[in-house]
This record gives sequence, structure tokens and C-alpha cells, in this order.
Amino acid sequence: QKEVEQNSGPLSVPEGAIASLNCTYSDRGSQSFFWYRQYSGKSPELIMSIYSNGDKEDGRFTAQLNKASQYVSLLIRDSQPSDSATYLCAVNKAGGGNKLTFGTGTQLKVEL
Amino acid sequence: EAGVTQFPSHSVIEKGQTVTLRCDPISGHDNLYWYRRVMGKEIKFLLHFVKESKQDESGMPNNRFLAERTGGTYSTLKVQPAELEDSGVYFCASRGPPGYEQYFGPGTRLTVT
Repeated sequence: QKEVEQNSGPLSVPEGAIASLNCTYSDRGSQSFFWYRQYSGKSPELIMSIYSNGDKEDGRFTAQLNKASQYVSLLIRDSQPSDSATYLCAVNKAGGGNKLTFGTGTQLKVEL
Repeated sequence: EAGVTQFPSHSVIEKGQTVTLRCDPISGHDNLYWYRRVMGKEIKFLLHFVKESKQDESGMPNNRFLAERTGGTYSTLKVQPAELEDSGVYFCASRGPPGYEQYFGPGTRLTVT
């Protein structure tokens, strides 16, 4: 079992729809959770961080964390073609100097 | 504020040669991380500096890899001698107080032939 699991996709959604990206993690002691967006050939760009159970909203993005279920998700409202990218889930395990463990990423395609 | 920069953006070397990658973190960021992504795999942690000290080098694959951060500013990652399996994209990230967020550089794509 991988430490951080994501569906590789591609996930296709029509423009204007809500895109829902999911991530599960295995280390119950994980403390910090991050979503990065990566365009092809570019660096991972931090878009959301979440540290406590519940929802965190920032513009069109909402991160959701459920530590009991070891589950973190990212919702993108009013999806735009420019949102088409690979979304990486990263987890900071307990007691590790904040090194990140990444999932393989989910490819999102927003179609016109 | 300038972001994390890395040099070179691409490097193609032959097996057995030496390559040195450089990372300049965001100014004032004490924490510097190196990660690597090989083809088809997830990004994986290599090591972590706090200022000039190695905090965690548990992800370094073997002793052909040497990282330094003299003076606690920029960092270098040397691969000597390079092997085919070292090919991939090497990312550097930095983190500053007070948060936990890491900001990534554009990466160096290393190809060993």
C-alpha cells in the first residue's frame, strides 16, 4: 500500500462544473496536508494547505480533511480550462522535519 | 519576492560523469529540501537542510549523492559518478518561518545516457 494514494485519472469535467479530487494516506499521525498543481514540465505550485478537520476555502478551491477516515480532498468550483493540470496531494508525517510524502497525482482535464 | 531558483534547467551527461545541481531558496528561508521524480513515479524526498546543517538525509539513494549548503544560503547536489537510474527531475523546495508550506523551484531535468 502506498503512503499517499490518488487516482491517476484523467478526470474529465466540463467547463463550469465542480471537480473533485481525492487522496487517502496511511500514516494516522500525519499532521499537515497540501495540494499542489503541476502543469506539464513545470514546478509544483502550492494551492492549498489544511491542518485541521473540516473545510478550508480559498476562492474557487476548497480543501476538505477527515483525519478519522485518513482522507483529504480538493474541490474546484466553476472549473476552467486553465485548471487542466496534474494535482498532487502531499502529506507531512509526524516528527519528520516537515518532509513531504507525495501521491502520484491526478490529471484533471476541463473540457470546453 | 523572488521564488526558488534552480540551475541548470536541463543536464544531459554520460554514465560515469559528474553533475552538480544548484538551488537558491527564497531569501530568509532556513529550510531547504531536495526531492526527485523519476519517470512514472511520485516525487520523493531526498534530504532536508536547516540552515547549513543536514537535518534528514534518509532519502538519499546512495553515497554517490552529496549535498551541501555552505553558509546556509544556496545548496548544491552533486552526483558522482552518475548512473542511468539517476535520470529524473530534481526539485528543490524551501520553507521559512512561521509556516509549514514548501515552495518548489522549477526543477532540473537530469538525463544520464
